[in-house]
Amino acid sequence: EIVLTQSPATLSLSPGERATLSCRASQSISTYLAWYQQKPGQAPRLLIYDASNRATGIPARFSGSGSGTDFTLTISSLEPEDFAVYYCQQPTPTFGGGTRVEIK
Amino acid sequence: QLQLQESGPGLVKPSETLSLTCTVSGGSISSSSYYWGWIRQSPGKGLEWIGSINYSGNTYYNPSLKSRLTISVDTSKNQFSLKLTSVTAADTAAYYCARHSGAGMWSDYWGRGTLVTVSS
Repeated sequence: EIVLTQSPATLSLSPGERATLSCRASQSISTYLAWYQQKPGQAPRLLIYDASNRATGIPARFSGSGSGTDFTLTISSLEPEDFAVYYCQQPTPTFGGGTRVEIK
Repeated sequence: QLQLQESGPGLVKPSETLSLTCTVSGGSISSSSYYWGWIRQSPGKGLEWIGSINYSGNTYYNPSLKSRLTISVDTSKNQFSLKLTSVTAADTAAYYCARHSGAGMWSDYWGRGTLVTVSS
């Protein structure tokens, strides 16, 4: 069973700052990793698939990178609507534990 | 635009069976390109994949739920369904249905979710 570990659990930042979120797989998953954003009371929204491809309608400030076991989601400049919980997902499809991006 | 909508009871008694249906509109569930799945989220917790099915009925389940779980598909109604037996309070969660795409099985379309509470 492949386990995904996300870090940090919480990221406290101000609008305009850069956010860097990490997801580590317990074994190689090539580039089969997706990222989601979830806001309170809403379903998750797909941001990135296949490690680095932005989903339809996702702003360019969101970018993904990595392969094998180490992956990163970067938000280049945080907008007020970006404060949310972010999950990574591997093909089983199981999820990491999430990273909460909160306003500092 | 593809839409998914969960339906079913919001309250289930302990030891009984939780049954939910996901209705797909704006597209066909019979496409060979996709799997269709269930994901849940306990209050204040993370996302847990439950299981998935394709149009021909091929299923795969979360091993931790497999003994209690059945997922089925009805292509004539463009629906797929979830049955989880012998529920306990630990099964209280928001249940989402979603479409899985690609080899990475990413979920590109989601229902809004339905809260199911297990309580007597």
